[in-house]
Amino acid sequence: DSGVTQTPKHLITATGQRVTLRCSPRSGDLSVYWYQQSLDQGLQFLIQYYNGEERAKGNILERFSAQQFPDLHSELNLSSLELGDSALYFCASSDRGDSTYEQYFGPGTRLTVT
Amino acid sequence: LAKTTQPISMDSYEGQEVNITCSHNNIATNDYITWYQQFPSQGPRFIIQGYKTKVTNEVASLFIPADRKSSTLSLPRVSLSDTAVYYCLVGDPTGGGNKLTFGTGTQLKVEL
Repeated sequence: DSGVTQTPKHLITATGQRVTLRCSPRSGDLSVYWYQQSLDQGLQFLIQYYNGEERAKGNILERFSAQQFPDLHSELNLSSLELGDSALYFCASSDRGDSTYEQYFGPGTRLTVT
Repeated sequence: LAKTTQPISMDSYEGQEVNITCSHNNIATNDYITWYQQFPSQGPRFIIQGYKTKVTNEVASLFIPADRKSSTLSLPRVSLSDTAVYYCLVGDPTGGGNKLTFGTGTQLKVEL
């Protein structure tokens, strides 16, 4: 158990819909990262927040957005969903901001778009 | 991040030592080498990180030659539960962004 929690575990929704994925980092960790893992694209970095502020952006679509709240939990919002958005979405956290590649991953949310 | 090359897959038997080598010819001076393990449908798990020579922890060792153009992850006496994908990542986490960029990894299969 990494200490990072993600909800929900599974999510099945239809094309065009909007969903919100939630992540609670390990206690005390200020950085939260979101990754997407699909069969054809592998594991890809989406976005990072550090203490409430966006720190780095990766291959995140404009239909996707995220935020980190004062209590440090984070939400990833996916809108106008397409079949290709079906994937595992992982959240990770770290306690040292930008200075480490040691990140702790949650169990993931499996999103299925039908 | 520096481009890395590692075997697509490896097979081993329980109790053997497994060495997975990663090539990173374009590694930069400030780059670190990091290895992650991932089981199916689970998030990746940090294994080990190093800069040069040898690093050892309770689960693995990381060997880095003097030129740092490659590295070897060594798993002693593997068991069936070590069957997973292993990712080698190279980059400078202090250089203004520590996002992880994963390649295709090495699928390790351990058999009885």
